[in-house]
Amino acid sequence: DAEITQSPRHKITETGRQVTLACHQTWNHNNMFWYRQDLGHGLRLIHYSYGVQDTNKGEVSDGYSVSRSNTEDLPLTLESAASSQTSVYFCASSESRGLDQPQHFGDGTRLSIL
Amino acid sequence: QKEVEQNSGPLSVPEGAIASLNCTYSDRVSQSFFWYRQYSGKSPELIMSIYSNGDKEDGRFTAQLNKASQYVSLLIRDSQPSDSATYLCAVNIPQGAQKLVFGQGTRLTINP
Repeated sequence: DAEITQSPRHKITETGRQVTLACHQTWNHNNMFWYRQDLGHGLRLIHYSYGVQDTNKGEVSDGYSVSRSNTEDLPLTLESAASSQTSVYFCASSESRGLDQPQHFGDGTRLSIL
Repeated sequence: QKEVEQNSGPLSVPEGAIASLNCTYSDRVSQSFFWYRQYSGKSPELIMSIYSNGDKEDGRFTAQLNKASQYVSLLIRDSQPSDSATYLCAVNIPQGAQKLVFGQGTRLTINP
């Protein structure tokens, strides 16, 4: 079955380190999204991509970057991790840019920055 | 004003009753609306989508949309303990792109 997988599921790191979270989908979806979820803020969009070589900033993009070199993967990089980036990160994908397209989520990565 | 608002709850409903979850949104041109269920420690799971005014039923779930009032709701009939979760309302904000804006979610508890 097609799916979307995130790795690692849990990570603990130190402030100032570079961290990369992986997201891989086998649906052949064009659109991929990264969110963070925090108590009191709900799901907030970090970055998104509508296809290979396309990336766009979301509402909370500072301190994060993404690259899209193929259809299946959208890794999220924290260039210099900060304690404020401790959160649960979800990757999602959708088939097309149609406004009726739902997004489907991976299982999430719980990231702790000490 | 937040773009998508939900009562955070917790909402407590006895087993077998109807649970009613509400969501309001600010952008009048929004066209697509989604309800996701999220169990504690798990990822959001799509349960309903609705695009036109009126009701849409799927099993025990009914989504209701009123674009004039900028209001979308989810009804869960014959509530079961397994329905206990956080329910997220998501609205597609048409800014030339497909982006979902999520409410903070309503935590629902079904009491046996």
